[in-house]
Amino acid sequence: DIVMTQSPDSLAVSLGERATINCKSSQNLLYTSNNKNYLAWYQQKPGQPPTLLIYWASTRESGVPDRFSGSGSGTDFTLTISSLQAEDVAVYSCQQYYTSPYTFGQGTKLEIK
Amino acid sequence: QVQLQESGPGLVKPSETLSLSCSVSSGSMNDYYWSWIRQSPGQGLEWIGYIYYTGSTKYNPSLKSRVTISIDTSTNQFSLRMTSVTAADTAVYYCARGDPTYYSNSSGRQIPWHNWLDSWGHGALVTVSS
Repeated sequence: DIVMTQSPDSLAVSLGERATINCKSSQNLLYTSNNKNYLAWYQQKPGQPPTLLIYWASTRESGVPDRFSGSGSGTDFTLTISSLQAEDVAVYSCQQYYTSPYTFGQGTKLEIK
Repeated sequence: QVQLQESGPGLVKPSETLSLSCSVSSGSMNDYYWSWIRQSPGQGLEWIGYIYYTGSTKYNPSLKSRVTISIDTSTNQFSLRMTSVTAADTAVYYCARGDPTYYSNSSGRQIPWHNWLDSWGHGALVTVSS
């Protein structure tokens, strides 16, 4: 199985500041034939199900604010929130869909400092 | 906007069978993958398996011997059955829709590929306890 490891496990950032969450995969997620990274990011607010933020490592899902961005390639990926808002308090998880079983990172808990 | 809703018993005895259903509304099940994912208390997400609208399935090898996913597109429902449960199976169980992309094989046939999960149910807590 591909192991997805996120860092840090938890993060406290001041309102309006930048938040950065990292995700590392144990195998390459870049499919060279189409030059796409098979990685998604999800946001899970307390008591709610996950919601899709980003797919193909950097494509925002429709309706996701542009303060959310994804980057990276191969085995190292980053989710960045450019200016933290109060409603961004949540657990963020990465997921690879390069191969089955589709695996998730352990999650990063983002709080307000 | 598609909506998904899990239903089923919230308490299952050890060694018995867990059964959950997911109702899909405001959309067709055709052309999508339909997955089950679980989240144990305080833990990360674990993909259990999917069923394509055609009925083909794929399961997580760690659970494959105990899991069956079925679909009824006529009633817009799909289901999860997990046998011989233990306390380790206590979790919130989510159903979700997988958005495919299509690739052409050497014969020109369009082959679907399971990608991200773009719609999720609210989740159903299942506790395994006697």
